[in-house]
Amino acid sequence: QVQLQESGPGLVKPSETLSLTCTVSSGSISSYYWTWIRQPPGKGLEWIGYIYYSGSTNCSPSLKSRVTISVDTSKNQFSLKLSSVTAADTAVYYCARGGAGTTRNGMDVWGQGTTVTVSS
Amino acid sequence: DVVMTQSPLSLPVTLGQPASISCRSSQSLVYSDGNTYLNWFQQRPGQSPRRLIYKVSNRDSGVPDRFSGSGSGTDFTLKISRVEAEDVGVYYCMQGTHWPWTFGQGTKVEIK
Repeated sequence: QVQLQESGPGLVKPSETLSLTCTVSSGSISSYYWTWIRQPPGKGLEWIGYIYYSGSTNCSPSLKSRVTISVDTSKNQFSLKLSSVTAADTAVYYCARGGAGTTRNGMDVWGQGTTVTVSS
Repeated sequence: DVVMTQSPLSLPVTLGQPASISCRSSQSLVYSDGNTYLNWFQQRPGQSPRRLIYKVSNRDSGVPDRFSGSGSGTDFTLKISRVEAEDVGVYYCMQGTHWPWTFGQGTKVEIK
């Protein structure tokens, strides 16, 4: 059963760049879409974006200017960078697997989530 | 962006009784390929979300058959035929027809 694990700093200063990595284990990163979702404290879920194993990406328009999503197939990992963070970016960040051919059906495997706080 | 509106936002239910959650979209979710990309997720307290249903009515593997999804166009429903204690949590609908994909606000199911 494929498993996902997020890693990265839990505290980021305002105006700096948030960097997270998701490691895929017990399965290959190939042939799937991989996504980033976040959940502010006490609130609902928000799409950040997704990447195909080949490297093509799509990001939410509201975050697109600040988001970079990349993939490293040799390490079975994909990553998220969010620049110029503010307190509004404080959230639990989840990585998740989209479908083999599309992300339209949502995500069938999720990481446990990692809490990122933006504060000086 | 397509707005997904769930109701109710809070749903107290008695164990063994049915429960129903509504999800309405601001635009039709029928895609040009003929599919309707409306999905349901469950988030138990302290856990990551879990997909229950995709494309309106397709249950994921391992999801109990007391969960069912229905609807069309802009109006969708998640039903739990007999609520069990393990069903406590927040339920989200999500549309995958119009980018960016969007979620509903969530419906909190609790036991009376």
